[in-house]
Amino acid sequence: SAVISQKPSRDICQRGTSLTIQCQVDSQVTMMFWYRQQPGQSLTLIATANQGSEATYESGFVIDKFPISRPNLTFSTLTVSNMSPEDSSIYLCSVSESGGGPGEQFFGPGTRLTVL
Amino acid sequence: GENVEQHPSTLSVQEGDSAVIKCTYSDSASNYFPWYKQELGKRPQLIIDIRSNVGEKKDQRIAVTLNKTAKHFSLHITETQPEDSAVYFCAAKDPGTYKYIFGTGTRLKVLA
Repeated sequence: SAVISQKPSRDICQRGTSLTIQCQVDSQVTMMFWYRQQPGQSLTLIATANQGSEATYESGFVIDKFPISRPNLTFSTLTVSNMSPEDSSIYLCSVSESGGGPGEQFFGPGTRLTVL
Repeated sequence: GENVEQHPSTLSVQEGDSAVIKCTYSDSASNYFPWYKQELGKRPQLIIDIRSNVGEKKDQRIAVTLNKTAKHFSLHITETQPEDSAVYFCAAKDPGTYKYIFGTGTRLKVLA
């Protein structure tokens, strides 16, 4: 399976600031996703990162708050904008290598964000 | 859209005993059901999956069963070991998309 890395692995930020998280894959993948995992909770999909076009956001998540880029098939960024303490979470990217039909998703190591 | 429920939320078993985690899904068109294991501070790891054309799949000590009529699937871990202690998440692929809908998770503790 693909090797996935994320930067930064963790960060502590002040409220009102923004943080950009990078996700890098060692091979071209069809699908890339961004999830949020709040402390002790399950995984919630934020958006699907589409190569060369705007991301597809899930209900409750908006582009102004979570802008996403995907310039090519191996890289994506998620920005958490105008942060508040409620944004403190682990943010995970995941990738799927299958272009059609059910496809396995593999997760990056995550970015642990704390907002003060 | 798809909805996934997972039970129990916590499960404690003695080492060597079996553990069973159950999930139900709402959309009968769902065709792919993965299970993930997440150890403390680590990323979720895919441990086993099942497609809708199969009723059961086994990989050493873990197995997954699928009942399409009842719309539920279960993870079975036999001969549990302390290293099986983790949070387990089931998921269902949302039909017509590439998205997964995750269950709420089960914290499994294997007592030595």
